[in-house]
Amino acid sequence: SQKIEQNSEALNIQEGKTATLTCNYTNYSPAYLQWYRQDPGRGPVFLLLIRENEKEKRKERLKVTFDTTLKQSLFHITASQPADSATYLCALEVHYKLSFGAGTTVTVRA
Amino acid sequence: GAVVSQHPSWVICKSGTSVKIECRSLDFQATTMFWYRQFPKQSLMLMATSNEGSKATYEQGVEKDKFLINHASLTLSTLTVTSAHPEDSSFYICSARDTRNTEAFFGQGTRLTVV
Repeated sequence: SQKIEQNSEALNIQEGKTATLTCNYTNYSPAYLQWYRQDPGRGPVFLLLIRENEKEKRKERLKVTFDTTLKQSLFHITASQPADSATYLCALEVHYKLSFGAGTTVTVRA
Repeated sequence: GAVVSQHPSWVICKSGTSVKIECRSLDFQATTMFWYRQFPKQSLMLMATSNEGSKATYEQGVEKDKFLINHASLTLSTLTVTSAHPEDSSFYICSARDTRNTEAFFGQGTRLTVV
């Protein structure tokens, strides 16, 4: 079965710095990979989707890369702000069902 | 993006009672909805896939008689936790996908506490 690993449980950074999160997966490469944001006590919110034939995707201060050779996706938050503090989840689709990593909780210090 | 509304946002119930959680897609039709369970500091675990007009498909290890799912219309799915016990206390989240999109839209989640 597909296993999804996110590099660390928690990441603390200074405001203005770039946060880099890692998502690794085993087995077969999916057609696309997604990133979600989850705030405490709330459901996840979709952020970005990157397809297997795309190397990089950007949305405002967010950037996602996808390396199917390494079976890895990197998620970057540039010029981070305290409002970016949340848990970020990567997700892969398997037979139309989304499987999620455990998430990385990012805390941005002012 | 599309909106999925989940109700209630929190509920406290006594052991042995049943609790119903509703999930509605407000501005799109969802032929398929998904129910997840999440424990503190853990990822979302898929419990079942709810298909409109047919029986739900449960993931391995999830008791279908314990977690009753009904998908009566293209905009409503319900999860009923029957004969709830303290170990059923968790955060339950539903999601739906518009057939035109690959992203999933999630409800706000329901915090269930069984005392």
